[in-house]
Amino acid sequence: AQSVTQLDSHVSVSEGTPVLLRCNYSSSYSPSLFWYVQHPNKGLQLLLKYTSAATLVKGINGFEAEFKKSETSFHLTKPSAHMSDAAEYLCVVSAWYSSASKIIFGSGTRLSIRP
Amino acid sequence: NAGVTQTPKFQVLKTGQSMTLQCAQDMNHNSMYWYRQDPGMGLRLIYYSASEGTTDKGEVPNGYNVSRLNKREFSLRLESAAPSQTSVYFCASSDDSAYTGELFFGEGSRLTVL
Repeated sequence: AQSVTQLDSHVSVSEGTPVLLRCNYSSSYSPSLFWYVQHPNKGLQLLLKYTSAATLVKGINGFEAEFKKSETSFHLTKPSAHMSDAAEYLCVVSAWYSSASKIIFGSGTRLSIRP
Repeated sequence: NAGVTQTPKFQVLKTGQSMTLQCAQDMNHNSMYWYRQDPGMGLRLIYYSASEGTTDKGEVPNGYNVSRLNKREFSLRLESAAPSQTSVYFCASSDDSAYTGELFFGEGSRLTVL
């Protein structure tokens, strides 16, 4: 079985401070893990993905995430928040088995940036 | 660079009316998906299609029908709309020939059922 839990529904940080969005997963199979970003009234855009290569994954806009199998985590970080980072962030786990893919979305974390 | 295109972007229906959401992708992807997004519930899969001519139910299929017209197009139909179907609907596609699970999304269709 697969599941994904985003530990915070809302995170608020000041501009220029670090961002940490937490995601824990469970999967019976070797998973791929993704972070997507959704700006208001827009579709979802891929930020970064882990697909069993390097455990530290760098994405767009200065974001990165580290796959920690022992902790079953895939937290998203950014050293310095920018106002344009305000958006909804979705953590996704995916696994391929029985000739089909199973994709599970987290419930999302809304990131707010204070001036 | 069209990617995944959904129409319409906005729609208001009365209870009992029917409508079809259209989706087309130009990336030659085999798999296509319809999701709905509701506050606090994340994205939930309605139907998906692993290839042309095949469709399968997802997590919340009741009240919907789909049609994979060809490799490019995947439509979602509401036969008799209900207020519970007020949501934002997203179409997505993926390239399973090089499987990574990455999804490519349209910009969404915002549906209100009165």
